[in-house]
Amino acid sequence: SQQGEEDPQALSIQEGENATMNCSYKTSINNLQWYRQNSGRGLVHLILIRSNEREKHSGRLRVTLDTSKKSSSLLITASRAADTASYFCATDHRDNYGQNFVFGPGTRLSVLP
Amino acid sequence: DVKVTQSSRYLVKRTGEKVFLECVQDMDHENMFWYRQDPGLGLRLIYFSYDVKMKEKGDIPEGYSVSREKKERFSLILESASTNQTSMYLCASSLSFLYTQYFGPGTRLTVL
Repeated sequence: SQQGEEDPQALSIQEGENATMNCSYKTSINNLQWYRQNSGRGLVHLILIRSNEREKHSGRLRVTLDTSKKSSSLLITASRAADTASYFCATDHRDNYGQNFVFGPGTRLSVLP
Repeated sequence: DVKVTQSSRYLVKRTGEKVFLECVQDMDHENMFWYRQDPGLGLRLIYFSYDVKMKEKGDIPEGYSVSREKKERFSLILESASTNQTSMYLCASSLSFLYTQYFGPGTRLTVL
């Protein structure tokens, strides 16, 4: 799997339910970020969690980071139709060629009214 | 609020044409990035720049070049467009390399 890979690829829930998306990565990181993309638009930054943090909240968003498992989860509580979008995790990645920024393929979330 | 603008939302070009995609940010950010986004592949970094006239290759630089003559402007150039370069192109900027990136609305390029 690639650095920064989201799971599931697609998720469909009813309005009011919680949505959980996961991200796994391979190499050590400095921080992990989650972004949202509405159809056909640019990405919008949601939240950044540093490698020494375990959990972070922002409104209805809760992000956890488990560096031992190299994974992160994004929880959206009390979902709304407006949360329908694709969600991407992004990690910084260092290899022999330098430092890079890697996005996963994303999770498509559909919130049904 | 940070604003990142891209020169076109939609662009149609023919194979072999030279294509310029421009990106402008208004927050004095040091770093600027060009990505392409394809279904199932997420965003892939083409090039980034950490200062005026400085550039670094990303994951997929082949077939592309970039120019950063001024801090606020980062251009992506397709020297000879090919059909496999049909994609959504996203520009982003950030104050610090590892931190929040602010994205433009994207340019959907079709090469016929």
